[in-house]
Amino acid sequence: DQQVKQNSPSLSVQEGRISILNCDYTNSMFDYFLWYKKYPAEGPTFLISISSIKDKNEDGRFTVFLNKSAKHLSLHIVPSQPGDSAVYFCAASGGGSNYKLTFGKGTLLTVNP
Amino acid sequence: DVKVTQSSRYLVKRTGEKVFLECVQDMDHENMFWYRQDPGLGLRLIYFSYDVKMKEKGDIPEGYSVSREKKERFSLILESASTNQTSMYLCAAGTESYEQYFGPGTRLTVT
Repeated sequence: DQQVKQNSPSLSVQEGRISILNCDYTNSMFDYFLWYKKYPAEGPTFLISISSIKDKNEDGRFTVFLNKSAKHLSLHIVPSQPGDSAVYFCAASGGGSNYKLTFGKGTLLTVNP
Repeated sequence: DVKVTQSSRYLVKRTGEKVFLECVQDMDHENMFWYRQDPGLGLRLIYFSYDVKMKEKGDIPEGYSVSREKKERFSLILESASTNQTSMYLCAAGTESYEQYFGPGTRLTVT
């Protein structure tokens, strides 16, 4: 059973517009959430994270929103740039001393010039 | 920044061979992880370790084993490689912040 779901395999946006990537989870024990970006033939790189005690975290062009009641989080990229084109993975941790991450299947973002 | 290196970027092995994938991190992080990434399946956890000599099974440990003799080094072993183990293998290191830092990956092809 998939505990972290990214239901959109791909997303295409115009340069300068907002990109919104969505993620849903089923395990109510998840306590910490992360977004990673991955280019082809490279390892994932950490982008931004959020603890379950917050509903928003912002870092430059990237903002993550968490809706615990809906078990939903989203990553907003504003403005989108062609260099943002990559696969984005949502990940969740149980918190405490559980450092394992459960990943979604990823969303391929394409930002068109 | 944590640097995680993996011994090979590309590897081709034959069915039945014993395969060693090495991972080294340079920031003294306690936690290390091995994942495989397959198209449409995301990243799946094979094994992890929170300390030297310690190992725990992840979600898909079958056909794999690991070794952690030193804090900085975490090895993934395919005892008898099979074609369904053709994949991208990713090693990561992390601390209590839950963030994990990944190596560049090893693209393994088993023929």
